[in-house]
Amino acid sequence: DAGVTQSPTHLIKTRGQQVTLRCSPKSGHDTVSWYQQALGQGPQFIFQYYEEEERQRGNFPDRFSGHQFPNYSSELNVNALLLGDSALYLCASSFQGAQGYTFGSGTRLTVV
Amino acid sequence: AQSVTQPDIHITVSEGASLELRCNYSYGATPYLFWYVQSPGQGLQLLLKYFSGDTLVQGIKGFEAEFKRSQSSFNLRKPSVHWSDAAEYFCAVGDSGYSTLTFGKGTMLLVSP
Repeated sequence: DAGVTQSPTHLIKTRGQQVTLRCSPKSGHDTVSWYQQALGQGPQFIFQYYEEEERQRGNFPDRFSGHQFPNYSSELNVNALLLGDSALYLCASSFQGAQGYTFGSGTRLTVV
Repeated sequence: AQSVTQPDIHITVSEGASLELRCNYSYGATPYLFWYVQSPGQGLQLLLKYFSGDTLVQGIKGFEAEFKRSQSSFNLRKPSVHWSDAAEYFCAVGDSGYSTLTFGKGTMLLVSP
C-alpha cells in the first residue's frame, strides 16, 4: 500500500519564477494538507484541501495557491519565488481530516 | 493561538541510556498531541498521539509519552536509546476541527557510542 507520494524530490528555481509541486495521498485518504519546513525549523501549515476546495489556510501570502483533483491528488503552486521560499515542502494526507496524518518525504525547493 | 515549545535544540545521549524529550504546549481546549520523528532528508513519521483517555501513551519503536494537563506538557521518553534513534523529533498540537498541526522547532537527538 503506497503511502503519500510527492514529486519532484528536489527542485532548483530562480527568483521570480513559478513552481508546481505534486502530491498523491495515501490510498483511502481524501484530505491533503501542505506544510513548509524551512531549514532548522518545524513544519508550518500552508493550507488544507478537502472535496476539491481549500478548507483552511495558514499565514501564507496569496503567492501560495493549491488545487485538489477529483482523485484527491493535489498541487501546490508558488508564484514569484523569493529566496525565502527555499524549504522542504511536505504533503500530508488523512481521511476526512481526522487526526493521524501520513506525511510524504517532501520536495526540497531551492530558490537561487 | 496554539503553540508548542521544545526547549532543547540538541540532546546527546549515550547508547543504552534513557531519553526524555520535553514538549510544552499552549492551547485553549483539550489538545490533540503528537510526536513525529524525521531522519535527514526525509518526511515525518508518527511515533505516537494523544487524543483523550489514558495519559500515558505508547508508540512505535519503544517510545512513550505522558500528557500532563497541569504542566501543559507532553514529554517523550524511551528507556534505552539505540543508535538508530538519532534523528530530529517534533512535538505538535492539533486543533479539534479540521486537524491542522502546529509544530515545535524540534529537538535533534544525537546518540553517542
